[in-house]
Amino acid sequence: GAVVSQHPSWVICKSGTSVKIECRSLDFQATTMFWYRQFPKQSLMLMATSNEGSKATYEQGVEKDKFLINHASLTLSTLTVTSAHPEDSSFYICSAPSGRTYEQYFGPGTRLTVT
Amino acid sequence: QQQVKQSPQSLIVQKGGISIINCAYENTAFDYFPWYQQFPGKGPALLIAIRPDVSEKKEGRFTISFNKSAKQFSLHIMDSQPGDSATYFCAASKDNFNKFYFGSGTKLNVKP
Repeated sequence: GAVVSQHPSWVICKSGTSVKIECRSLDFQATTMFWYRQFPKQSLMLMATSNEGSKATYEQGVEKDKFLINHASLTLSTLTVTSAHPEDSSFYICSAPSGRTYEQYFGPGTRLTVT
Repeated sequence: QQQVKQSPQSLIVQKGGISIINCAYENTAFDYFPWYQQFPGKGPALLIAIRPDVSEKKEGRFTISFNKSAKQFSLHIMDSQPGDSATYFCAASKDNFNKFYFGSGTKLNVKP
C-alpha cells in the first residue's frame, strides 16, 4: 500500500526557535495533505489542509502565522512551527488521500518537545 | 460541535472475547466511515472502512456494523487478542479528498 513518511520522527527544540516537519508521499502523488495534532491520550485534531500550489486552509482556532504550511510539490508538504513554546509540544501527524478511494494514508507522526 | 461521538472511552476485554466500540455521527452527508488502530507513538493505521450503501462489512476478525437510519456505526473485534490492545478511532468524511472527523478514541486493553 501507499506510504507516507515524516521527518523527523522526534525533535527537541528550545522555546522561541522554529522547527520544520516534513511529510512525504513515497509512491503516489498527493495534491492534498492534512496536518493533525494529537495531545497525549486525546484524539487527532485537524489543524489544516495543505494544497499543492496554493495556500493552506486552516481550521478555526489554528494560528496560520504560527503554523506555516508549504506544499511545494506533489509529494512534499512541510509544517513549520514558528517561535515554538512548551505548549506546542505535541504529536504531529500528516495524512494524504490515496486518490483512488476515500482512504487516507497516515504518516508515523513527529513528536515535538519544546523546552 | 463534535461531529463524531465515540464510546466507550476505555474497554477491558478478556482474551477470546468480543470488543465492541460504538460511534454516532450527525452529518447525513458523511459517506465514508473508517476505523483506525493506533499504537503508542505511532500514526493511525486503517483497520476497516465502510460506505453507507451496506449495513455490514467483515474483514477477518473485524466487523463494522452500520445503521444509516440511526446514524451509528460500530466496530466488533471477535476473538480479541492481547496484540489488539491499542487505541481505536472511528472517523467520518464526505466526498473524496476531504478531511476526516475523528471520534475521541477508545483505549482497548485485552487481558491474557
